[in-house]
Amino acid sequence: AQSVTQPDIHITVSEGASLELRCNYSYGATPYLFWYVQSPGQGLQLLLKYFSGDTLVQGIKGFEAEFKRSQSSFNLRKPSVHWSDAAEYFCAVETYGGSQGNLIFGKGTKLSVKP
Amino acid sequence: GAVVSQHPSRVICKSGTSVKIECRSLDFQATTMFWYRQFPKQSLMLMATSNEGSKATYEQGVEKDKFLINHASLTLSTLTVTSAHPEDSSFYICSARVPSFPGLAGADTQYFGPGTRLTVL
Repeated sequence: AQSVTQPDIHITVSEGASLELRCNYSYGATPYLFWYVQSPGQGLQLLLKYFSGDTLVQGIKGFEAEFKRSQSSFNLRKPSVHWSDAAEYFCAVETYGGSQGNLIFGKGTKLSVKP
Repeated sequence: GAVVSQHPSRVICKSGTSVKIECRSLDFQATTMFWYRQFPKQSLMLMATSNEGSKATYEQGVEKDKFLINHASLTLSTLTVTSAHPEDSSFYICSARVPSFPGLAGADTQYFGPGTRLTVL
């Protein structure tokens, strides 16, 4: 069965430091891959996505992610974290090929930012 | 582009009453919308997939008679929680998927509403 693993439940980084959030997926083929961010009490905002092509994708708010097929990973990175980046981050995969585009989410990683 | 609204953002109701939540895609037509439920400090749980003009597909364990979903137009899906009880209290989030179409911005991507906090007393 398809699954998404975000191994880090909670990460704390200092403002200005670099960030990497990990995401691994289990799927027979290359799925569509997404990162979403959720602030407390809010819906999810799309940060970036990967469908095909260049494995390094750029998103909003200075985030980027790299798809590595050999590692079944899609890690999210940001070179310099801002206090406003504190939020919950969800990695998701979409299975396709006859499905209706259902997303499978990881459990999320909560990011805290120290001043 | 790709904005999804949800109404109401917060609702408090008495046990036994029904509550309707609306999900609208504001600037695109969505043939498929999704309804999720999120418990505190947890990930999203897919409840059902809603396709315009047809019956919703419910995930295993979700009571279709309790959570009524209607997708009457390409921009509106509604979730009605019937005879709500305190255990139905939760954060409900909808999403709308931009259809697959060559060159269409945001194609094949789900965009989420801001969520509805339901509290049943």
